[in-house]
Amino acid sequence: EADIYQTPRYLVIGTGKKITLECSQTMGHDKMYWYQQDPGMELHLIHYSYGVNSTEKGDLSSESTVSRIRTEHFPLTLESARPSHTSQYLCASSLSPGLAGVSNEQFFGPGTRLTVL
Amino acid sequence: AQKVTQAQTEISVVEKEDVTLDCVYETRDTTYYLFWYKQPPSGELVFLIRRNSFDEQNEISGRYSWNFQKSTSSFNFTITASQVVDSAVYFCALSNYGNNRLAFGKGNQVVVIP
Repeated sequence: EADIYQTPRYLVIGTGKKITLECSQTMGHDKMYWYQQDPGMELHLIHYSYGVNSTEKGDLSSESTVSRIRTEHFPLTLESARPSHTSQYLCASSLSPGLAGVSNEQFFGPGTRLTVL
Repeated sequence: AQKVTQAQTEISVVEKEDVTLDCVYETRDTTYYLFWYKQPPSGELVFLIRRNSFDEQNEISGRYSWNFQKSTSSFNFTITASQVVDSAVYFCALSNYGNNRLAFGKGNQVVVIP
């Protein structure tokens, strides 16, 4: 069973508030990811990290920011929430491909369902 | 560029029927990896299988089986004797050699009717 945690699970907040979605993993994985998923839709990668102090933007443009100060922790921040940010946010982690280049599976957290009023 | 197509959006079956989910992919790489994930109503994605492009053997795990055909760029997933607990969204995904980034399909919503 994957050990990756997200808090809060559900968040309802007003427009203009600053929010931070937490994600932690205890598997020692160096790679971490944030996906955004609207109900019934596909997942879109919005941020990823190869390791401490490494962050990159994903395929879908997002107004959120991330940081990676510790290997196990990859929080996502929205400085000023808007209704358009209403979505589910999924965090994932994996081992790096390594010398053999094998693409390892990603393990997902339970997600945070964000509603901005 | 990578692309994954799951054409069927919602599939309803009666319990104990078999259901097959189609996945067609596009990639320019010769080495790549294919995945299937299950997303139950609780929301988290559960890893089901990883297959590399050099291994075209079909795989069976309990009631689940996968058919990988490189010639048609397909990696189809069959649930045999479906159960209500199989009701979920199933995603097919692709990543290239040396890169863990996943390209997901739009998912198949499977509804198993008791």
